[in-house]
Amino acid sequence: QSVLTQPPSASGTPGQRVTISCSGSSSNIGSNSVNWIQHLPGTAPKLLVYSNNQRPSGVPDRFSGSKSGTSASLAISGLQSEDEADYYCAAWDDRLDGPVFGTGTKVTVL
Amino acid sequence: EVQLVESGGGLVQPGGSLRLSCAASEFSFDNYAMNWVRQAPGKGLEWVSTISGSGHTTNYADSVRGRFTISRDNTKNTLYLQMNSLRGEDTAVYYCAKGRAYYYGSGTWPPDYWGQGTLVRVSS
Repeated sequence: QSVLTQPPSASGTPGQRVTISCSGSSSNIGSNSVNWIQHLPGTAPKLLVYSNNQRPSGVPDRFSGSKSGTSASLAISGLQSEDEADYYCAAWDDRLDGPVFGTGTKVTVL
Repeated sequence: EVQLVESGGGLVQPGGSLRLSCAASEFSFDNYAMNWVRQAPGKGLEWVSTISGSGHTTNYADSVRGRFTISRDNTKNTLYLQMNSLRGEDTAVYYCAKGRAYYYGSGTWPPDYWGQGTLVRVSS
């Protein structure tokens, strides 16, 4: 069972900005950094953002992450067709002593 | 480029066993913790287990603790997941994922590279 809560879907037209929220608690987002993972079903998941707002090499700066208290968000600006995928937030949970994932958000490019 | 290639998935009856393997290359395998993450059909990602770089520290999700065993052979650059007493709810694609540090803990999370996954189906 996912510990972090995300909206099931989000959508936008090419070029628009889309924001995905992730809600947690004091034991996970409230005390640890938030990370975002992009996943196209049938392919290898890809780390998109780590440590709240850091992008691995090769990830476009169209993707940006932020965190405030026990919530976080991922923004995709200049939406492109290849951004159509599932997006998961993830964080370490001190109470569980292990990582937890969000429920996932399916982004559709209209 | 880091390569992670899972194998060993397949169809198994409830109560049966299966061992997954993950062959790693293009990085210093014994310097990093490794993870197994799964995705059941129509569901989201779920952490399964993590092992430290030395193999001395492991942890498991409550849903698999006592049934699954993670291990690694640093001489073969290979990660394993022994799955026993399999249940229908274990049906999923299992992904191998490289941690970002040596020790088990928050510092090694999140994984920075993932494999393509191997499908495990538990059904009679």
